[in-house]
Amino acid sequence: TAGITQAPTSQILAAGRSMTLRCTQDMRHNAMYWYRQDLGLGLRLIHYSNTAGTTGKGEVPDGYSVSRANTDDFPLTLASAVPSQTSVYFCASSESEGSNEQFFGPGTRLTVL
Amino acid sequence: GQNIDQPTEMTATEGAIVQINCTYQTSGFNGLFWYQQHAGEAPTFLSYNVLDGLEEKGRFSSFLSRSKGYSYLLLKELQMKDSASYLCAVKDSNYQLIWGAGTKLIIKP
Repeated sequence: TAGITQAPTSQILAAGRSMTLRCTQDMRHNAMYWYRQDLGLGLRLIHYSNTAGTTGKGEVPDGYSVSRANTDDFPLTLASAVPSQTSVYFCASSESEGSNEQFFGPGTRLTVL
Repeated sequence: GQNIDQPTEMTATEGAIVQINCTYQTSGFNGLFWYQQHAGEAPTFLSYNVLDGLEEKGRFSSFLSRSKGYSYLLLKELQMKDSASYLCAVKDSNYQLIWGAGTKLIIKP
């Protein structure tokens, strides 16, 4: 079982360009999450989805958008990247929003220049 | 505001015991979690506490005191592979996880 996959593994992006980070899970989990992790800070929630067809804003949603067309996929889009979006991005999933354990993907390291 | 505090870095000796503390102030409480994260890798779940007391799982134990807003993770018989960051997180009233910045644990032979 693959669990959660993310693509790309890493990316260097010019400021002002758009990019979509991909996330796919094969565990049939209802809830999915996008976090960013920056040095010296805890993981911060960007957006989440409790079930296919619904999404919600987390702690730091500005500059990001998501969609949840089906159970398995939860892409994160940066419409016009800025250097402050340089970070490591983790996608995670759980059986439901109330589940005790979140499973994380391997992360995408994004550098915006 | 919501806040999770844990030490930035700790050092311990192989074979010894180490306790990593976490204090929290959150809007609501629906459980406290500990995750392990090796450098360059994804976090992985270690433990969950929702009631006061100690939960033991092999070499790892986690303690919670809700009245004090305090938890600790206890690692026994330390091994070199335990060198990692340990993340404390609290599920708030909206069932969202609020994360601490993590404690980097360095194990020396």
